[in-house]
Amino acid sequence: EAQVTQNPRYLITVTGKKLTVTCSQNMNHEYMSWYRQDPGLGLRQIYYSMNVEVTDKGDVPEGYKVSRKEKRNFPLILESPSPNQTSLYFCASSPRGQGVNQPQHFGDGTRLSIL
Amino acid sequence: AQSVTQPDIHITVSEGASLELRCNYSYGATPYLFWYVQSPGQGLQLLLKYFSGDTLVQGIKGFEAEFKRSQSSFNLRKPSVHWSDAAEYFCAVGPTNAGKSTFGDGTTLTVKP
Repeated sequence: EAQVTQNPRYLITVTGKKLTVTCSQNMNHEYMSWYRQDPGLGLRQIYYSMNVEVTDKGDVPEGYKVSRKEKRNFPLILESPSPNQTSLYFCASSPRGQGVNQPQHFGDGTRLSIL
Repeated sequence: AQSVTQPDIHITVSEGASLELRCNYSYGATPYLFWYVQSPGQGLQLLLKYFSGDTLVQGIKGFEAEFKRSQSSFNLRKPSVHWSDAAEYFCAVGPTNAGKSTFGDGTTLTVKP
């Protein structure tokens, strides 16, 4: 089954304790992206990757890191989490067809609580 | 910079009534436009997309949207709403060729019996 898999789905942790949220897709998509969703603010793009070893900042990259060493994986790293990073996070991927990024496929989300 | 505005935070309609959700965008070139739906506790699912060509696009679940370049709008419509359509709806621009993707703040749809 074609899917984007995020882990963990839920995490409660404390300020300053490094954490990684994994994202994996099995559709051989070139494009991957991370978003955070906060009430009333829609989805805001954190980082995206157009292909392996190519990453760039979205609109809210502060406090986050990413890497794209393999096509299928795009982990999101919070090196020193703070309470303002408490949010619902989504990973998404899409193929590039005819030079155009196609619709995104989304994971089921990761709810992070930073105390 | 690209942006998306969904003017209606919350809309309530009666089951069987028609629906229109508004979306206005700002983008320098021909936009790639999408509508997604999010049910509670779920990820986002694509309803429909517009890249070019026919300005009236059909999607899943009986939804359609019309691209109007002169009004910078991409409004979502459904002729008869079902109770299962209650969800949050997002309009989005991109990912562009540069990779940026911008979502509106979302519109929550409530369906009255």
